[in-house]
Amino acid sequence: GAVVSQHPSWVICKSGTSVKIECRSLDFQATTMFWYRQFPKQSLMLMATSNEGSKATYEQGVEKDKFLINHASLTLSTLTVTSAHPEDSSFYICSARDPERQPQHFGDGTRLSIL
Amino acid sequence: GQNIDQPTEMTATEGAIVQINCTYQTSGFNGLFWYQQHAGEAPTFLSYNVLDGLEEKGRFSSFLSRSKGYSYLLLKELQMKDSASYLCAVRIKGGSYIPTFGRGTSLIVHP
Repeated sequence: GAVVSQHPSWVICKSGTSVKIECRSLDFQATTMFWYRQFPKQSLMLMATSNEGSKATYEQGVEKDKFLINHASLTLSTLTVTSAHPEDSSFYICSARDPERQPQHFGDGTRLSIL
Repeated sequence: GQNIDQPTEMTATEGAIVQINCTYQTSGFNGLFWYQQHAGEAPTFLSYNVLDGLEEKGRFSSFLSRSKGYSYLLLKELQMKDSASYLCAVRIKGGSYIPTFGRGTSLIVHP
């Protein structure tokens, strides 16, 4: 069964809205989780590394004030897309790695559509 | 940085065999993954190679040559449900364990 749960799976909202996406590890503790974005027919692009109890590490070109990441517990990380605009429409996927196992496990993804 | 190259699209016939190639250029190589991704879904893990050679797992096999910076994913007895994108991802030593993904190869299986 799934070991990483991501919610919601699909969001449609108006421009200017902030959207929160949750990523949970179900049967292991994840001190580190990862957030990806994928545009149609493109590869997975790592946006940021979410670290439990500390600040997230953002990849070059990703606005930290735009994409707020909170990793308050060992099983939950959240990504908030603030003041979303149509160009933020994409498929967002989280992953977590169980230190005892390979490989990283992905959530089912969130399709975000900004009107 | 890392450079990962794989064909954009391939087509094959149901029941046939298809080989999807991946070449990479990186320093500090520490393993190569293959993932399958159906449209609108998250990737699912297929294989992980860190040493040279062929790893077989049912209908799918993965090969790695570190000296050539080359890997392939071999799919046998193709089924319609194998139509998907296949992502090659390379991990480097040091830092996080998170690999860098290639753009993926879209495989279309015809009846």
